[in-house]
Amino acid sequence: DAGVIQSPRHEVTEMGQEVTLRCKPISGHNSLFWYRQTMMRGLELLIYFNNNVPIDDSGMPEDRFSAKMPNASFSTLKIQPSEPRDSAVYFCASSAAVGSQYFGPGTRLTVL
Amino acid sequence: DQQVKQNSPSLSVQEGRISILNCDYTNSMFDYFLWYKKYPAEGPTFLISISSIKDKNEDGRFTVFLNKSAKHLSLHIVPSQPGDSAVYFCAASSGSNYKLTFGKGTLLTVNP
Repeated sequence: DAGVIQSPRHEVTEMGQEVTLRCKPISGHNSLFWYRQTMMRGLELLIYFNNNVPIDDSGMPEDRFSAKMPNASFSTLKIQPSEPRDSAVYFCASSAAVGSQYFGPGTRLTVL
Repeated sequence: DQQVKQNSPSLSVQEGRISILNCDYTNSMFDYFLWYKKYPAEGPTFLISISSIKDKNEDGRFTVFLNKSAKHLSLHIVPSQPGDSAVYFCAASSGSNYKLTFGKGTLLTVNP
């Protein structure tokens, strides 16, 4: 099994640009999670989907952030427009049951 | 409001000795607890978990202890090995909720 796949692994962009992060969950997992990791706030849950439906988006910082899951094998997290304070590592994780989640390698985003 | 707290940002131990990582939580609804391990440039990986109906769970060198009355759990690693050097995250969930709440992590360094 390839595990959770995220792309790109690194993204450097300029303030105001649109950024799209991509995630392919583990096949058969019905839940998908987007997290953001920063030094100040640690690992924060942004949003999670169950069976492709957004269940809890209370962690999404503001309207500049949006996430979609058009099918069971793909999800995107979009930031438009991006700001320097969005610089962080963004993780995608998937799960087949309550409890353990399997994380991807993360996307390191730098907004200049 | 941090519901899961790891008050020690770092811990350093000698190879062969015991490592004890601590975690406190405030939400009495949490009933399932997990430890994740994270190496640099990788996503967190699941290590061990415990349900609130138990007070101890063991897996090889790793043991997690849960003290519900104190809302405290700890991870013991015996004996510690240099390869255990990583950031350790404590996480918690409640009921059938897939959502995990993470602590900020503790950097463990095991010196040869």
